[in-house]
Amino acid sequence: EIVLTQSPATLSLSPGERATLSCRASQSVRNFLAWFQQKPGQAPRLLIYDASNRATGIPARFSGSGSATDFTLTISSLEPEDFAIYYCQQIYSWPLTFGGGTKVEIK
Amino acid sequence: EMQLLESGGGLVQPGGSLRLSCAASGFTFSSYAKTWVRQAPGKGLEWVSVISSNGDKTYYADSVKGRFTISRDNSKNTLYLQMNSLRAEDTAVYYCARALRSDYYYFVVWGQGTLVTVPS
Repeated sequence: EIVLTQSPATLSLSPGERATLSCRASQSVRNFLAWFQQKPGQAPRLLIYDASNRATGIPARFSGSGSATDFTLTISSLEPEDFAIYYCQQIYSWPLTFGGGTKVEIK
Repeated sequence: EMQLLESGGGLVQPGGSLRLSCAASGFTFSSYAKTWVRQAPGKGLEWVSVISSNGDKTYYADSVKGRFTISRDNSKNTLYLQMNSLRAEDTAVYYCARALRSDYYYFVVWGQGTLVTVPS
């Protein structure tokens, strides 16, 4: 099973600041990695797939990068609606796995 | 509008069974793989199971293998999850979701979730 480790667990930032979230895989997943956003009481929302492709309707301030074992989600300038929990997920091999999440909170 | 609507959750005793349903609308149901993902209270996301677009392949997390069965009825545009031998650790909100494309297992359309509670 591929383990995805996200860091930091919590990121405390102010609106307008840049957020950088990390996801590290225990073995290569090539570029088969997605990022999701989840707000309290809501279903996850797909932001990024194939490590760097934005899903339909996702604002350009969200970007993904990386390959193999190291991936980054960057939010260039935090909007109030961006404060949420972010999860990475790999689809390279079975079982599909999620990271433990990074909470982006208002400082 | 593409929608998924889960139902069938509730309180069930340990060892009991439950069948979750996920009704789809707004897209061609048979063209996409589907998944179940769960989230225990206050915890992260856990993938549970996938069924391929034509239903010939199914995959399960080790934690549910042999106890849960995923299936689909294309005539009813409905996805199912039959859950047997339920345990306290199966307590979670269960989400169904649809693949981005056919059998490309990024999940882009999600339901609102249904809560399953198995007391300890």
